[in-house]
Amino acid sequence: ELKVEQNPLFLSMQEGKNYTIYCNYSTTSDRLYWYRQDPGKSLESLFVLLSNGAVKQEGRLMASLDTKARLSTLHITAAVHDLSATYFCAVGGGADGLTFGKGTHLIIQP
Amino acid sequence: DTAVSQTPKYLVTQMGNDKSIKCEQNLGHDTMYWYKQDSKKFLKIMFSYNNKELIINETVPNRFSPKSPDKAHLNLHINSLELGDSAVYFCASSGLGNEQFFGPGTRLTVL
Repeated sequence: ELKVEQNPLFLSMQEGKNYTIYCNYSTTSDRLYWYRQDPGKSLESLFVLLSNGAVKQEGRLMASLDTKARLSTLHITAAVHDLSATYFCAVGGGADGLTFGKGTHLIIQP
Repeated sequence: DTAVSQTPKYLVTQMGNDKSIKCEQNLGHDTMYWYKQDSKKFLKIMFSYNNKELIINETVPNRFSPKSPDKAHLNLHINSLELGDSAVYFCASSGLGNEQFFGPGTRLTVL
């Protein structure tokens, strides 16, 4: 059974700081996804990582994938309040659907 | 021009009732899904449909039944609702690239 573990599950940080969210998964997969969810809202796709060594950046967020270590990271640079949300990583896709981590609840304080 | 839409957005009902949630996608995707997000925000897949054929059913009680009249629609019917069914239900779809796009969610409250 595929398991996806995120850490930390809760993160409170100050604006301007850098931090990394980690996502480990238990079985081989070459597809990993990062989603953002605001309170009461749907899931917004942030990054799709499709191969070992993939790195993608959008604004202050950068995601990377190491398929050999079964690890993905979501790095936040110089955090701003607007990035406060819950971030999910997910593995799989296609007919099997996605297996999600438990999510990282991120609060960025002024 | 919403890509994945769901109705209703909110659903409040009594235990024992039967209800349906509708989902439509206009992305031309072949695969659609239903996910359940519980009160702790944990997301779990319930069903996957590919070209109107059920692909996966993750130990969901048989009170839940997906129905797909065509590849753009995947409805979720729930019989004999229980308190534990209260959750947010998300519909999603994916195409050849496997990236999944999610609907706005339906918050179901069973009283």
